[in-house]
Amino acid sequence: QLQLQESGPGLVKPSETLSLTCTVSGGSISSSNYHWGWIRQPPGKGLEWIGSIYYTGNTYYNTSLKSRVTISVDTSKNQFSLKLSSVAAADTAIYYCARAYDVGYHYYMDVWGRGTAVTVS
Amino acid sequence: QSVLTQPPSVSAAPGQMVTISCSGSSSNVGNNYVSWYQRLPGTAPKLLIYDNNKRPSGIPDRFSGSKSGTSATLGFTGLQTGDEADYYCGAWDTSLNAVLFGGGTKLTVL
Repeated sequence: QLQLQESGPGLVKPSETLSLTCTVSGGSISSSNYHWGWIRQPPGKGLEWIGSIYYTGNTYYNTSLKSRVTISVDTSKNQFSLKLSSVAAADTAIYYCARAYDVGYHYYMDVWGRGTAVTVS
Repeated sequence: QSVLTQPPSVSAAPGQMVTISCSGSSSNVGNNYVSWYQRLPGTAPKLLIYDNNKRPSGIPDRFSGSKSGTSATLGFTGLQTGDEADYYCGAWDTSLNAVLFGGGTKLTVL
């Protein structure tokens, strides 16, 4: 059974870079038709899509975060990562990684990690 | 980045039916498939409906999805107290080349 697990610091200082890694187990990150994405949920707010990556390295980003976000993939480790630069208090959130089925007009996130809480302070 | 429009909250009694709407535009809901996610308190989101109206394995048929034009609907029948959660719609936006989520709807089972 495919599982995703986020890891990284739970506390980041303002203006620094938030770095998280998602480790995929029980399946290959190099699977066709699947992107690997990051989603966050600030306290008291809704879900916000951050971006996603295909195993070839092709990326899509939320336009409002694009200038600060980098998502990368390491197929040898079956991992993908998120870097968010110049963080501020508004970046405090639970960060989730997820697998996304992406073919044609179909797009949905079918497997999610448990999430990791990140506080900017 | 804009979001899809959902009502902030809905409520109904146990055993009753309720629906949650999700309104978008031709660049997202209108021309792409819609998915729905359930976020129970303290847990990660879970895929509830994909491709507008399909249920993943293990999701009971009390949950249903539909779409018409630029609006989608998540339906519940036989409400249970365990259904109390936040529900989000999602769709790819062809103009933005990005995923959009609805703002979320809190379901209360009275």
